[in-house]
This record gives sequence, C-alpha cells and structure tokens, in this order.
Amino acid sequence: NAGVMQNPRHLVRRRGQEARLRCSPMKGHSHVYWYRQLPEEGLKFMVYLQKENIIDESGMPKERFSAEFPKEGPSILRIQQVVRGDSAAYFCASSPSRGRNSGNTIYFGEGSWLTVV
Amino acid sequence: GESVGLHLPTLSVQEGDNSIINCAYSNSASDYFIWYKQESGKGPQFIIDIRSNMDKRQGQRVTVLLNKTVKHLSLQIAATQPGDSAVYFCADSGAGKSTFGDGTTLTVKP
Repeated sequence: NAGVMQNPRHLVRRRGQEARLRCSPMKGHSHVYWYRQLPEEGLKFMVYLQKENIIDESGMPKERFSAEFPKEGPSILRIQQVVRGDSAAYFCASSPSRGRNSGNTIYFGEGSWLTVV
Repeated sequence: GESVGLHLPTLSVQEGDNSIINCAYSNSASDYFIWYKQESGKGPQFIIDIRSNMDKRQGQRVTVLLNKTVKHLSLQIAATQPGDSAVYFCADSGAGKSTFGDGTTLTVKP
C-alpha cells in the first residue's frame, strides 16, 4: 500500500518562475494537507483540502500561492513568481475521513525541496 | 492563537539511556496529540498518538504522557539507540489542521 507520494522531490527555479508541486494521497484518503518547513524550523500549516474543496487555507500566503485537489489526479501546490524566500521543503500529508470534532492521524510524504536561485 | 512549543531545541543522550522530550500546548480544548520523528531529508514519521481521555500510552520502546492540567505532554524513549537520532515534533491534531511545535533534535552518542 503506497504512502503519500510527492513529486518532484527536488526542484530548482529561478526567481520569477513558477513552481508546481504534486501530491498523491494514500489510497483511500480523501483529505490532503500542505505544510512548509524552513531550514531548522518546524512545519507550518498552509492549506487543507478535500476533493474539489478548500477546507482551510488560513496558512496560505495571500499572493502567489494556490492549491487544488481536483476530482481526478493529484493535489497541486502552485507558487507563482517565486522568490528566494520561497525556498523550503514542502510536505504533503493525507488522512482518511475526519470527524468534525475528532482528531485523525495524518501521514506525510517525503517532501518536495524547492530551491529558488 | 493556539500554539505548540517544545522546551528544549536539542537533547543529547548516551546510547542505552532513556530520553525524555517535552512539549507544551496552549489550547485547553485540544483532544488529540501526535508525536512525529523526522530524519534528515525525510518527511515526518508517525511514532505514537494519545487522546485527551488518556494520560499515558505505550508503544514499542516509546511512551507518551499527557498532563491536561498543565497542558504538557512528553515522549519517553527507552534504551535510546543511534537510529533514534532525529528531530522530534509534537503536534496538536484535533479537528482541522495539525499544529506543530518547532522540534527537538535528539542526538545519541555511542
């Protein structure tokens, strides 16, 4: 049973280019989360999605960042006009259905390392 | 806003000793917590979880303790091994998103 799959694992972009990071959740999981991790720091929540819906995007920067989880295919985190400060590891996680008031374990992928030069 | 924090950013222990990593949280309504282990260049890996209706949970060589009165939880690793060297995060994983602390780097000396 494959885990959370992310690609690319490493991505280099020049300032001003676009970065697209893809995430396929674990089989049977319908919830996807994106986190960002700067060097020597913890994981910061960005966005929580279900199929075709953004549930919580409170951690997403207001500009240049967007996320989607279409009915078919992987979830995509898109960063437009990248800047050096976007260099980080971006982790995707997934979980099965989540009760409204109950916690649920989320499982992480191996991350996508974005370097902006 | 809610937050999760760790008491020490680094911890160094001798191989074979027990390790204790601490974490504090601010949201008294939090009802589910997870400890993750992250090795260099990899994603966080689930270690153990605990719900607020428990104060202790044991796994293989690991124990999590939850003190809701002072909003504190700890991860105990018995007989620490070199393979345990990693960054350890606690996460408040109630409804909605999970909130992570900044992590404790555990170094195991041979």
